[in-house]
Amino acid sequence: EVQLVESGGGLVQPGSSLKLSCVASGFTFSSYNMHWIRQAPKKGLEWIALIYYDSSNKYYADSVKGRFTISRDNSKNTLYLEMNSLRSEDTAMYYCAKNYGGFAYWGQGTLVTVSS
Amino acid sequence: DVVLTQTPVSLSVTLGDQASISCRSSQSLEYSDGYTYLEWYLQKPGQSPQLLIYEVSNRFSGVPDRFIGSGSGTDFTLKISRVEPEDLGVYYCFQATHDLWTFGGGTKLELK
Repeated sequence: EVQLVESGGGLVQPGSSLKLSCVASGFTFSSYNMHWIRQAPKKGLEWIALIYYDSSNKYYADSVKGRFTISRDNSKNTLYLEMNSLRSEDTAMYYCAKNYGGFAYWGQGTLVTVSS
Repeated sequence: DVVLTQTPVSLSVTLGDQASISCRSSQSLEYSDGYTYLEWYLQKPGQSPQLLIYEVSNRFSGVPDRFIGSGSGTDFTLKISRVEPEDLGVYYCFQATHDLWTFGGGTKLELK
């Protein structure tokens, strides 16, 4: 069974940093490109980052480019999102997902709240 | 960046009715391999999104056949025949053709 478990969220102050993790199981993690998607409270879904299966390519939404870094450790079946210079508008639920014929599996997400 | 515009923003239906949601893209979503990577998701209240349709018209495993995706190029439609209570929530289209990938703004399906 495919499982994606996000963690690392919390309440942080504007300008601070946070690193999210996503532990994957039930599939060959090292064979799949992985994504981060977020959803601000009462707002729509926003795709924010993609990393290729071998870390050879990374893509970011304009809203996070230059502040967020996606990475992975295939030996640990873990995806990361390092978030710097956090702003109030980064407050959201953050999900990791793999897209292979759609985002078929989603975790429960990890909540990041940026507030003073 | 590709912009996906969903209409309507909100849709009120009676159970058993048909519902139709449009998703219009600012660029063609046909990829160089001939496939069109347009997907549909449903997010029920308090839940993570769930995949309904991939590559325009392919239903994901377990999705009832009352969900029908269609379209090509820049114009796509999700039709739900005979709306049931478990179909209520927010529907999103999503494109995976062009870097950077994008979601539509969402359509809330609710009871009249």
